[in-house]
Amino acid sequence: GQQLNQSPQSMFIQEGEDVSMNCTSSSIFNTWLWYKQDPGEGPVLLIALYKAGELTSNGRLTAQFGITRKDSFLNISASIPSDVGIYFCAGFTGNQFYFGTGTSLTVIP
Amino acid sequence: GAVVSQHPSRVICKSGTSVKIECRSLDFQATTMFWYRQFPKQSLMLMATSNEGSKATYEQGVEKDKFLINHASLTLSTLTVTSAHPEDSSFYICSASAQPSGNTIYFGEGSWLTVV
Repeated sequence: GQQLNQSPQSMFIQEGEDVSMNCTSSSIFNTWLWYKQDPGEGPVLLIALYKAGELTSNGRLTAQFGITRKDSFLNISASIPSDVGIYFCAGFTGNQFYFGTGTSLTVIP
Repeated sequence: GAVVSQHPSRVICKSGTSVKIECRSLDFQATTMFWYRQFPKQSLMLMATSNEGSKATYEQGVEKDKFLINHASLTLSTLTVTSAHPEDSSFYICSASAQPSGNTIYFGEGSWLTVV
């Protein structure tokens, strides 16, 4: 399927810093999903958003469903070494899923 | 959250043989399952979408005769790589959309295929 615009592609941050990444599209979605993938494993669902404007937290992670329904962002606060991995978004139009190209996160202790 | 299980997690097969990978939704019914291929440090590449009881829809460039997909029940889809070649070696991942809304997808753990 088509891919969403996800940025940044990669991030190198110091432990303790906050992280922000986002996904944008020209299409309207009714669901936004954020996943984390560790090397050699399947992606794990972090946060699911089902309503425009919705702000949802999961521990140190916070994600928002953009008001326009065309974007979403994920924030990670106070990063730790185990946050390392690839994060990607997925959007659902009601008929089809689209995926972001992923953000590779490296946390420097 | 919902659980999707893949088996085997790792498989090595000889060139020219076929290998089957199973994807099961353990605690929910999945009318739609997806199969992906992923190369190192790259994003997921959707190969096909399978709906229970009907033929899979393949993405452009994916050979349907080489990658046979069967979705015989609401909890099981299989991917068979036929006449495997070394270039088919890859990480294969499945996902399933949970009913009733179908608007959330859960991924399996992935299967490493090595063709020697």
